[in-house]
Amino acid sequence: GQNIDQPTEMTATEGAIVQINCTYQTSGFNGLFWYQQHAGEAPTFLSYNVLDGLEEKGRFSSFLSRSKGYSYLLLKELQMKDSASYLCAASDSNYQLIWGAGTKLIIKP
Amino acid sequence: GAVVSQHPSWVICKSGTSVKIECRSLDFQATTMFWYRQFPKQSLMLMATSNEGSKATYEQGVEKDKFLINHASLTLSTLTVTSAHPEDSSFYICSARNDLAGDYNEQFFGPGTRLTVL
Repeated sequence: GQNIDQPTEMTATEGAIVQINCTYQTSGFNGLFWYQQHAGEAPTFLSYNVLDGLEEKGRFSSFLSRSKGYSYLLLKELQMKDSASYLCAASDSNYQLIWGAGTKLIIKP
Repeated sequence: GAVVSQHPSWVICKSGTSVKIECRSLDFQATTMFWYRQFPKQSLMLMATSNEGSKATYEQGVEKDKFLINHASLTLSTLTVTSAHPEDSSFYICSARNDLAGDYNEQFFGPGTRLTVL
């Protein structure tokens, strides 16, 4: 079956760094997405990885290891506005997105 | 950038009534549209995939007679929740993709519609 695993909740301090991990098992693979979702709002795109390695985009970076079925999202210099749920989604052989349950990130001052 | 709108953004209705939600791609052709449902503190659940001019493909467990999807044009898809009941109360989100652009991975999300059935 197809499955995405990510932690349910994480807590971090403002100004710090946090890494959110995601493991996936899919029928075929066409890339890994990270989305940010604030309560009551639709997801917004953060990053897309299809090749192994690290993609850096400002304060956010995303890493992918296809052989391990593993990705992480790294958030640096955390700000209070980063408090949100972070959704990991893998694109399968039919380009359907298989979604994780999301990681609720709580930022404390 | 690609923009997707949804209307209404929220709706409250009585049990037994039908509710229609519109999803529009404003600046691109949406050959494929996806309808998701999200219950509180849960992830997105794909309900159905629709292609312009053809019948929607529903995910297992989603009643096609209850959730009517019409993708009549390259810019508009509608989801009608028929005979809505309180358990249908949820956050409904659409996304759109332009397969003609060759990137099958790029989905653009609408802002969502909050449905509350009394």
